[in-house]
Amino acid sequence: AQRVTQPEKLLSVFKGAPVELKCNYSYSGSPELFWYVQYSRQRLQLLLRHISRESIKGFTADLNKGETSFHLKKPFAQEEDSAMYYCALSGGTSGTYKYIFGTGTRLKVLA
Amino acid sequence: KAGVTQTPRYLIKTRGQQVTLSCSPISGHRSVSWYQQTPGQGLQFLFEYFSETQRNKGNFPGRFSGRQFSNSRSEMNVSTLELGDSALYLCASSSGDHGGELFFGEGSRLTVL
Repeated sequence: AQRVTQPEKLLSVFKGAPVELKCNYSYSGSPELFWYVQYSRQRLQLLLRHISRESIKGFTADLNKGETSFHLKKPFAQEEDSAMYYCALSGGTSGTYKYIFGTGTRLKVLA
Repeated sequence: KAGVTQTPRYLIKTRGQQVTLSCSPISGHRSVSWYQQTPGQGLQFLFEYFSETQRNKGNFPGRFSGRQFSNSRSEMNVSTLELGDSALYLCASSSGDHGGELFFGEGSRLTVL
């Protein structure tokens, strides 16, 4: 079955602490992996994608095909990182690509 | 560049009624997809349209339908509303290519009484 699993509904960390939001996926094929973020009163937006291998706002995510994981990490959490984070994959064949989202993890960074 | 626009932003309906939601994608984007967002279920895929054709469909009952017009604007319709249909309905537009970024609207919040 094709699915994206985010095991934590809520993750609370203190400011300055490392943060890791977990994401595991199940997909037969080679999907593209993404993290989307929704800050309070803002639209859902792309944070980063595995193919670009870049760091956005201090966040990185490494695709581990062996463990089928795409965990999001940041070494030092900031209060402005508090948001809802969704892991997603895009996969399919030409003309049938679709996105599958996880259920999301709410990150709360405490002062 | 104007973003994705959804109308109406808020609406209240009663059980048994029907509702139509509208989405105007970013200019040049040919793919429009719809999602239902609820606190318990997260983002659930409804369907995607590309160049006026439904390309993908999620696991929702037939009461949920959609269409896309030649200018890429899309509408989704929910008939015979149920209390459980109360949710934020998000529209996203993209180029439609594999791995393409989704650009989301602010959503239409539907409350069914």
